[in-house]
Amino acid sequence: QSALTQPRSVSGSPGQSVTISCTGTSSDVGGYNYVSWYQQHPGKAPKLMIYDVSKRPSGVPDRFSGSKSGNTASLTISGLQAEDEADYYCCSYAGSYDWVFGGGTKLTVL
Amino acid sequence: QITLKESGPTLVKPTQTLTLTCTFSGFSLSTSGVGVGWIRQPPGKALEWLALIYWNDDKRYSPSLKSRLTITKDTSKNQVVLTMTNMDPVDTATYYCAHSVGGSFDYWGQGTLVTVSS
Repeated sequence: QSALTQPRSVSGSPGQSVTISCTGTSSDVGGYNYVSWYQQHPGKAPKLMIYDVSKRPSGVPDRFSGSKSGNTASLTISGLQAEDEADYYCCSYAGSYDWVFGGGTKLTVL
Repeated sequence: QITLKESGPTLVKPTQTLTLTCTFSGFSLSTSGVGVGWIRQPPGKALEWLALIYWNDDKRYSPSLKSRLTITKDTSKNQVVLTMTNMDPVDTATYYCAHSVGGSFDYWGQGTLVTVSS
């Protein structure tokens, strides 16, 4: 069970869109529709932003969207805002009631 | 509303056993489908899933740490306890507990930093 692969960093200007990828295998991302995304600001606990690949919890702006194709899931943030600057982690169910996180992506808003 | 809070020692010595308690409110761990998990994060590094206990007492562990971890629940006290044996400096991290239902961790505790040092 290896960590999911995410880009170390992405950046974008206010108002632009960015996409963060999360690549796993057919045993995790590709095998189940249980991919979630978490936003973490420095010194804070992670916050759930997307669950079940593309669903948004109540209170999460619709600027955040999720998708999946094969073994790769993606988080897209449109209309970037300064407050979106944070670390983002994907997580997937990996079968047998196990879970695996990605290595994290630092989003910089230029 | 759902809240969780981690408690335990802030400093442990190498080879010692770490015991962390997650005290929660706003839900019952006897409700079908509900789980409480533990996730850790070394300073400046990524999140790592450690263990999860479900409403039916099913327990799951990270394969890489399975031999060192034990997770238990006390439904009457609304607590989940994680023990990790043979602590090493590489286990220095912030340890989080989180509520799980379905396919995600939707509520998290504030985390507790555990330092392993002699």
